[in-house]
Amino acid sequence: DSGVTQTPKHLITATGQRVTLRCSPRSGDLSVYWYQQSLDQGLQFLIQYYNGEERAKGNILERFSAQQFPDLHSELNLSSLELGDSALYFCASSVEGEPYEQYFGPGTRLTVT
Amino acid sequence: AQKVTQAQTEISVVEKEDVTLDCVYETRDTTYYLFWYKQPPSGELVFLIRRNSFDEQNEISGRYSWNFQKSTSSFNFTITASQVVDSAVYFCALNPSGGFKTIFGAGTRLFVKA
Repeated sequence: DSGVTQTPKHLITATGQRVTLRCSPRSGDLSVYWYQQSLDQGLQFLIQYYNGEERAKGNILERFSAQQFPDLHSELNLSSLELGDSALYFCASSVEGEPYEQYFGPGTRLTVT
Repeated sequence: AQKVTQAQTEISVVEKEDVTLDCVYETRDTTYYLFWYKQPPSGELVFLIRRNSFDEQNEISGRYSWNFQKSTSSFNFTITASQVVDSAVYFCALNPSGGFKTIFGAGTRLFVKA
């Protein structure tokens, strides 16, 4: 158990809908990262927050957004969902920003029908 | 360009065999960090090791060992006397200096048969 929690574990929704994925980092970790893992794209970095502020953006679509709250938990919002958004979404945390090792949560499996 | 290549998509071995997972990286930075992560069938990625570019010492942790060679831009991972529980997808990753994102390779799926 990495100490990173993610909810929900599974999410099934329809195209065009909006969902929110939640992540709580390990105690003491200030950085949160979001990744998308799909069969065809592999593990793709989406976005990173450090102590409430956005630090880095990766291949995140404009339909997706995230934030990190004062208690350091983070939410990833996915809107106008498409079939291709079906994937495993991981949250990870680290003590500070890069290049420290990241501890991953169990992931949220999103299925868009 | 920053890139991590894991050329082996899948490897299948029989228990107790040794197996080496290859990782080749590309970066122009002189300072960078390399990682290996394991993703077992349960799905959660597990951190295995971090190495910075100035530390070329090989590392051994139990049955796991890592060989870092800057001259060939490789950071290979060897499992000695593999076990069924080693079956997983293994990811090599690169964090270039000054960058805020970690670049993951495509992963190598390892099957260890009893």
